[in-house]
Amino acid sequence: GQNIDQPTEMTATEGAIVQINCTYQTSGFNGLFWYQQHAGEAPTFLSYNVLDGLEEKGRFSSFLSRSKGYSYLLLKELQMKDSASYLCAVLNSNYQLIWGAGTKLIIKP
Amino acid sequence: GAVVSQHPSRVICKSGTSVKIECRSLDFQATTMFWYRQFPKQSLMLMATSNEGSKATYEQGVEKDKFLINHASLTLSTLTVTSAHPEDSSFYICSATGTSGGFSYEQYFGPGTRLTVT
Repeated sequence: GQNIDQPTEMTATEGAIVQINCTYQTSGFNGLFWYQQHAGEAPTFLSYNVLDGLEEKGRFSSFLSRSKGYSYLLLKELQMKDSASYLCAVLNSNYQLIWGAGTKLIIKP
Repeated sequence: GAVVSQHPSRVICKSGTSVKIECRSLDFQATTMFWYRQFPKQSLMLMATSNEGSKATYEQGVEKDKFLINHASLTLSTLTVTSAHPEDSSFYICSATGTSGGFSYEQYFGPGTRLTVT
């Protein structure tokens, strides 16, 4: 089967750095997405990785290792507004988006 | 660019009635639209995928006669929950891919519809 694994919940302190990991096993690979979802709202796009390596975008960076079936989302200089769920999703060989269950990130002052 | 709207944002209906939710791509042509359901504290669950002008493809376990999907144009898809029951209460979200200029297969999400069946 296909599955995406990410931690259920993480806690971090305002101003700190946090890394959210995602491992995947899918039928083929055509890219990995990270989305942010605040409670009661729809997901918003954060990043897309299709090649190995690190993609940096402001305070957020995303890393991909296709050989290891592994990605992480790195959030720097955490702000209270970063409290949200972070969803990892993989586009498989059929161009279907396979979703992880999401990681709820709690930011404490 | 790449804005998707959903209407209504919230709806309360009585058990046994039907509810229609609209999903529109405002500034691009949505060749494919997706309908998701999300229960509290759970991740997105794909219900169906629809391409303009063709029948929707439903995920396993989703009743196509209960959740009617119509993708009549390149900017509009509708989901009708027929004979709604309290267990259908959920957050319904649509997304779309298409000629938006973003990453291929990036899904643009609507704001979601909170359905409560009493």
